[in-house]
Amino acid sequence: KAGVTQTPRYLIKTRGQQVTLSCSPISGHRSVSWYQQTPGQGLQFLFEYFSETQRNKGNFPGRFSGRQFSNSRSEMNVSTLELGDSALYLCASSQLAGGAKETQYFGPGTRLLVL
Amino acid sequence: GEDVEQSLFLSVREGDSSVINCTYTDSSSTYLYWYKQEPGAGLQLLTYIFSNMDMKQDQRLTVLLNKKDKHLSLRIADTQTGDSAIYFCAETLPNMEYGNKLVFGAGTILRVKS
Repeated sequence: KAGVTQTPRYLIKTRGQQVTLSCSPISGHRSVSWYQQTPGQGLQFLFEYFSETQRNKGNFPGRFSGRQFSNSRSEMNVSTLELGDSALYLCASSQLAGGAKETQYFGPGTRLLVL
Repeated sequence: GEDVEQSLFLSVREGDSSVINCTYTDSSSTYLYWYKQEPGAGLQLLTYIFSNMDMKQDQRLTVLLNKKDKHLSLRIADTQTGDSAIYFCAETLPNMEYGNKLVFGAGTILRVKS
């Protein structure tokens, strides 16, 4: 089975712009979660989507949003970019919630640099 | 509350055993995970343990869980230079209302000297 894929892998934007990142989960996985990784804050949970519905959300401002499509692919959007949004954005997928099937498998990440 | 703590750095010689420690605060955690991150890469799942287990062994990896002390450890036997990476401990909460959410420690940098 192919793993979690994320596009693009690298991105450079300027302050005030917006960006959309894409994640394709492992085939058969219905849950997609997004995490932000920075040297200062470490790995922080952004949100999780399951069956096209946002099921859980972390403590990030409303500039961060996401969605999930019927094929379980997910996108996250960051509007009005700030310098502090520079980070590695990781997507993870799992089969279901509950039990070992909630084990999350991560993609390689999208590295975003905001200038 | 949710909080996971790890020591920041560990240095070992090639061939020795490495032990990476982690403490967590949420007693309702059901699964605890170890992930590995190499430079410039995403997170690779190494192993996980269910909270009603004390130990799990998988080839060179041994996970020990002391639920009373909320302490988790990862032992890597015969550590190799390829094991040099950052190791993250993570917990997940059991309630369906929370959905899937991993709470990570800050990561332990493992350096293996040849």
